[in-house]
Amino acid sequence: GDSVTQMEGPVTLSEEAFLTINCTYTATGYPSLFWYVQYPGEGLQLLLKATKADDKGSNKGFEATYRKETTSFHLEKGSVQVSDSAVYFCALGDNQGGKLIFGQGTELSVKP
Amino acid sequence: DAGVIQSPRHEVTEMGQEVTLRCKPISGHDYLFWYRQTMMRGLELLIYFNNNVPIDDSGMPEDRFSAKMPNASFSTLKIQPSEPRDSAVYFCASSLQGEGYTFGSGTRLTVV
Repeated sequence: GDSVTQMEGPVTLSEEAFLTINCTYTATGYPSLFWYVQYPGEGLQLLLKATKADDKGSNKGFEATYRKETTSFHLEKGSVQVSDSAVYFCALGDNQGGKLIFGQGTELSVKP
Repeated sequence: DAGVIQSPRHEVTEMGQEVTLRCKPISGHDYLFWYRQTMMRGLELLIYFNNNVPIDDSGMPEDRFSAKMPNASFSTLKIQPSEPRDSAVYFCASSLQGEGYTFGSGTRLTVV
């Protein structure tokens, strides 16, 4: 069945460092791909999405490109801030309608 | 729109008691999802509805769990009787098919 695999955390970076969180997926067909972010004590928030191959989603300085050839959707940011500390979830929308399949989440901690 | 509204935010109950969690989805959304989040298991999809009809309840852990969606603007998740291992954060989310989810802020349940 469809699945999502993320790099394990926690990831600890210094402020202004470059961030990459790897995400790969297994799916039939052409799913949509998403990144969600969860700040402490809050629900998940949609960060960005891409609906077809080669699409790039972007928001708040974060980017991810839908790579069908490598079945990947890696999250990147050029310069992280302390306020980016959170748990990041990669997800795919299966083609059976509505349901999202989430990865296990990657905790990011940014130190001043 | 006020987003997805869950109540209560926190619930502490004694083992054996009935617990009811409530969710109001975003108006116009046709899907509603209930998730449970724990440190050990991460995010687990419990059940989801499409146009108020339960589509997949295979994630509901036991018969002690039940969910209803009597109309497009309200859903409940009930646990009866509750057990300490049910302690978790329960999230409700709603969506339009293919558009990604909007999550509520969650209900933190503690069963003592």
